[in-house]
Amino acid sequence: DTGVSQDPRHKITKRGQNVTFRCDPISEHNRLYWYRQTLGQGPEFLTYFQNEAQLEKSRLLSDRFSAERPKGSFSTLEIQRTEQGDSAMYLCASSSTSDVAGYTFGSGTRLTVV
Amino acid sequence: EDQVTQSPEALRLQEGESSSLNCSYTVSGLRGLFWYRQDPGKGPEFLFTLYSAGEEKEKERLKATLTKKESFLHITAPKPEDSATYLCAVQARTNAGKSTFGDGTTLTVKP
Repeated sequence: DTGVSQDPRHKITKRGQNVTFRCDPISEHNRLYWYRQTLGQGPEFLTYFQNEAQLEKSRLLSDRFSAERPKGSFSTLEIQRTEQGDSAMYLCASSSTSDVAGYTFGSGTRLTVV
Repeated sequence: EDQVTQSPEALRLQEGESSSLNCSYTVSGLRGLFWYRQDPGKGPEFLFTLYSAGEEKEKERLKATLTKKESFLHITAPKPEDSATYLCAVQARTNAGKSTFGDGTTLTVKP
């Protein structure tokens, strides 16, 4: 297993467009997380899945954001009608539930909304 | 609501000059406290998990300690390759799936 993969690495989009990001977690991990990080800040929680079930979604997340994890494997994060404030690094991570394990993060998708 | 505060925001050291990074936290029942290292343009890399007050973990030049209110990451005789942002995060027993992160300490080690 090569770790957590995220695609694309970089995305530049015009304001108002929709974007979708993909995350492939470590295959043995049943938990998958999405975080957002802006410059100089720590990762901010967006949502997480256990298998295919979305167990929590941040109250800060507007209705323009949606995430899916069909069949409990890869996940997608979609942002509709992007705004300049959506510009950030979007991080995906995975972990197992067998113990209190740290996350394994991907390298992130850098979104720039122009 | 769980909170994590890290200090200082930035730390500049000479190679070999030991120091400590602080992570203060409030959480409703600590399940685990985590330290990560993040290099520019990359995702955080897991370093340690601490579970209870008094626990210590070590890895090369890094040593993490935990009390009921804070954690320290001690860096002994740092090298330039230790330069990175160090992030602290907590998980509560009541919400085991979600970690709350601090804003990190950016460490620069000059040769």
